[in-house]
Amino acid sequence: QVQVVESGGGVVHPGGSLRLSCAASGFTFSSHAMYWVRQAPGKGLEWVAVISYDGRNKFYTDALKGRFTISRDNSRNALYLQMNSLRPDDTAVYYCARDRGVVTPTYYLGDWGQGTLVTVSS
Amino acid sequence: EIVMTQSPATLSVSPGERTTLSCRASQSVNTNLAWYQQKPGQAPRLLIYGASTRAPDIPAKFSGSGSETDFTLTISSLQSEDFAVYYCQQYLKWPLTFGGGTKVEI
Repeated sequence: QVQVVESGGGVVHPGGSLRLSCAASGFTFSSHAMYWVRQAPGKGLEWVAVISYDGRNKFYTDALKGRFTISRDNSRNALYLQMNSLRPDDTAVYYCARDRGVVTPTYYLGDWGQGTLVTVSS
Repeated sequence: EIVMTQSPATLSVSPGERTTLSCRASQSVNTNLAWYQQKPGQAPRLLIYGASTRAPDIPAKFSGSGSETDFTLTISSLQSEDFAVYYCQQYLKWPLTFGGGTKVEI
């Protein structure tokens, strides 16, 4: 079955960096766009970034552009989020999610991981 | 960006009741609207896309309707497992945006 599993979260000081990973299985990873979505404690969902199936196209929410970088390694069935210059308001659970479309994205999120918690605190 | 507004923020219902959740977009999104369910401590789950199409394995008790700026999610005969937070999401334009959620509680 489709499975995406995030890892790499933890506690980091303000200004620090962290790299999140998402391991995918149960589907043809190289055929699907992938997303990062975050959820601050007790708050709603916020889309962070998306990457096309082949990694050529990437979009970010404007507020994070320049600090976060999404990437993928289709040979490893892995998705990444490099987060730099972290701030306390980046504290959230970060979810990896799969687009249901094959090659052509649908832009809604069909399968989600359980998330990894990132805490930015001194 | 397209702002998604959900109402009410909290909905108190009894098991067995039917309930309707609302989602409004700040501009037309046609039918590029999805609904998600999130239970405490769990990841969101896709319920509806295209405003009214149920995702695979989603029971018929969940139904979506609407177009352009006004959308509804109806849950018939609420059971204990349906008490959760529900989010709408537009996917017409970047950035993808979610509503603030409606918590359905007993």
